[in-house]
Amino acid sequence: DQQVKQNSPSLSVQEGRISILNCDYTNSMFDYFLWYKKYPAEGPTFLISISSIKDKNEDGRFTVFLNKSAKHLSLHIVPSQPGDSAVYFCAAGSSGSARQLTFGSGTQLTVLP
Amino acid sequence: EAGVTQFPSHSVIEKGQTVTLRCDPISGHDNLYWYRRVMGKEIKFLLHFVKESKQDESGMPNNRFLAERTGGTYSTLKVQPAELEDSGVYFCASSQGGDPYYYGYTFGSGTRLTVV
Repeated sequence: DQQVKQNSPSLSVQEGRISILNCDYTNSMFDYFLWYKKYPAEGPTFLISISSIKDKNEDGRFTVFLNKSAKHLSLHIVPSQPGDSAVYFCAAGSSGSARQLTFGSGTQLTVLP
Repeated sequence: EAGVTQFPSHSVIEKGQTVTLRCDPISGHDNLYWYRRVMGKEIKFLLHFVKESKQDESGMPNNRFLAERTGGTYSTLKVQPAELEDSGVYFCASSQGGDPYYYGYTFGSGTRLTVV
């Protein structure tokens, strides 16, 4: 059973608008969450992370929101740019255990010019 | 600084054959991880080395998979004998000591393995 779920396999957004990518998790032991971006034929690239003691973390155009009660996190990209077109993976981990990350299946974001 | 290097980038082998994937982590990174993505699904953890020691191999699917890390430097992942369900993209990642959750891992570009 998937512990990290990204229910939208794809998302299309107009350039300049906001992109919102969603992720749900089931394991209450997760206390760190990360977003990775992946271009074709490349490995995932770390974007931004958030600890469970926070509910928001910003880095430039990227903001991650965490709702612990709903076991839900989202990545907001504002404004969206064509270069943001990629597959976005949500990942989660537990600081109390091994350092493995549990990933979702990814969301393909397409930003239309 | 050189990134995480994986080779080959692609490998096509027949069922029953043996394949060895190699990963060179970023110099100085003690932590090395193997992950796999099958059929466009989620990226799944295989195992974690700290230097030359296996810290966690709970994700290894079965005993047809053997991972080694020589002298705490590069790592190899051998699949013997390969089965059709082993097809996928194998990613290697590395991180320095300290919590990778703040900084994330650095991933290689992956090896796309196709078993026919």
